[in-house]
Amino acid sequence: SQQGEEDPQALSIQEGENATMNCSYKTSINNLQWYRQNSGRGLVHLILIRSNEREKHSGRLRVTLDTSKKSSSLLITASRAADTASYFCATDGGAAGNKLTFGGGTRVLVKP
Amino acid sequence: ETGVTQSPTHLIKTRGQQVTLRCSSQSGHNTVSWYQQALGQGPQFIFQYYREEENGRGNFPPRFSGLQFPNYSSELNVNALELDDSALYLCASSLAPGGIQETQYFGPGTRLLVL
Repeated sequence: SQQGEEDPQALSIQEGENATMNCSYKTSINNLQWYRQNSGRGLVHLILIRSNEREKHSGRLRVTLDTSKKSSSLLITASRAADTASYFCATDGGAAGNKLTFGGGTRVLVKP
Repeated sequence: ETGVTQSPTHLIKTRGQQVTLRCSSQSGHNTVSWYQQALGQGPQFIFQYYREEENGRGNFPPRFSGLQFPNYSSELNVNALELDDSALYLCASSLAPGGIQETQYFGPGTRLLVL
């Protein structure tokens, strides 16, 4: 079963627009991570936010975390065609060890 | 490039056969995790190896087994292949397991098709 659920499942935007996707999870966490996947290949780590953090930035990426609502959002600003990919959130379930539980992903299409 | 490599990139097998997938972890990483990703879904945790010992397992049957070698590379073995085993198999390496999650770095995956 998958802990995280991304919303929306798919997103289509024009180049230059912002893309926002959300993730909800069920159990306590130590941290939450976002990954990008191009064309069904390997996952690329984007950003990790710890449970005691509320917001984190990395370049054009902004991630928020609300542990009271068990939710996170990923904002991609000024999107580019190269941002076209699937985006996944992953949580560690709060337990020792590195088991990541992924959501079903948001498929983002950025049209030039 | 994460420095994590997997082989082969693609594989076609028939039902009932056995398959071995390989992963070389990033330099300095002693932990390897394996994930199965069915088409259109997120990856699902199979198991993790830390210093050659299994360190956690997901909801997969015993016909999914693994090994980690002294150089921290790893193998995933699947026996008695079923059609539903068709998926992208991803390995990820990290520095160490622990109470605080370390970032996992993923390889490009092996796409397995079972006919």
